[in-house]
Amino acid sequence: EPEVTQTPSHQVTQMGQEVILRCVPISNHLYFYWYRQILGQKVEFLVSFYNNEISEKSEIFDDQFSVERPDGSNFTLKIRSTKLEDSAMYFCASSGQNYEQYFGPGTRLTVT
Amino acid sequence: AQSVTQLGSHVSVSEGALVLLRCNYSSSVPPYLFWYVQYPNQGLQLLLKYTSAATLVKGINGFEAEFKKSETSFHLTKPSAHMSDAAEYFCAVSDMGQAGTALIFGKGTTLSVSS
Repeated sequence: EPEVTQTPSHQVTQMGQEVILRCVPISNHLYFYWYRQILGQKVEFLVSFYNNEISEKSEIFDDQFSVERPDGSNFTLKIRSTKLEDSAMYFCASSGQNYEQYFGPGTRLTVT
Repeated sequence: AQSVTQLGSHVSVSEGALVLLRCNYSSSVPPYLFWYVQYPNQGLQLLLKYTSAATLVKGINGFEAEFKKSETSFHLTKPSAHMSDAAEYFCAVSDMGQAGTALIFGKGTTLSVSS
């Protein structure tokens, strides 16, 4: 069964460093998403991406965040200058033409 | 703006007992509603969805949920809990039901099942 994959599973970085989280969506999907879950809090929407551009973003998704689909298979989330409060589990998801979003296993980002 | 409230951050049941996980939503338009399950160290898996068709929705692993507009609820139930049901469950809402639309999640409910 096709699935969304994410790498790495755990990333530790120092405050102020740039990180790139990677995702491989399901191959025939066209819509891609990033969500995050801070420990003990709810899963929050960050951004959705379609046809090589952002289709929707939340207020969390400020200038320090960016997304890219650098090739035909990967979808990345970049955080330019990480802060302690960026520590969270980051989930990638993808969907086809319908509304069913399929989630990856997540990347746990720890900022020290 | 839509929102989701899950009553009870932790629910404990015995194996074989009824599972009831509560979800209430707030939406200004007819919503699309979802339940996701997250097993330890895994991603979110779609259990079931409501898309304005039948109000009683059946999902995977014997779970079902009933959409009650008058109560703005979408509670998840399973008649008989199994040890393998122990996981975290998230209710989510989308007011567009279109691809590319954000899902708004509740805080989640951890289900524990004892033998």
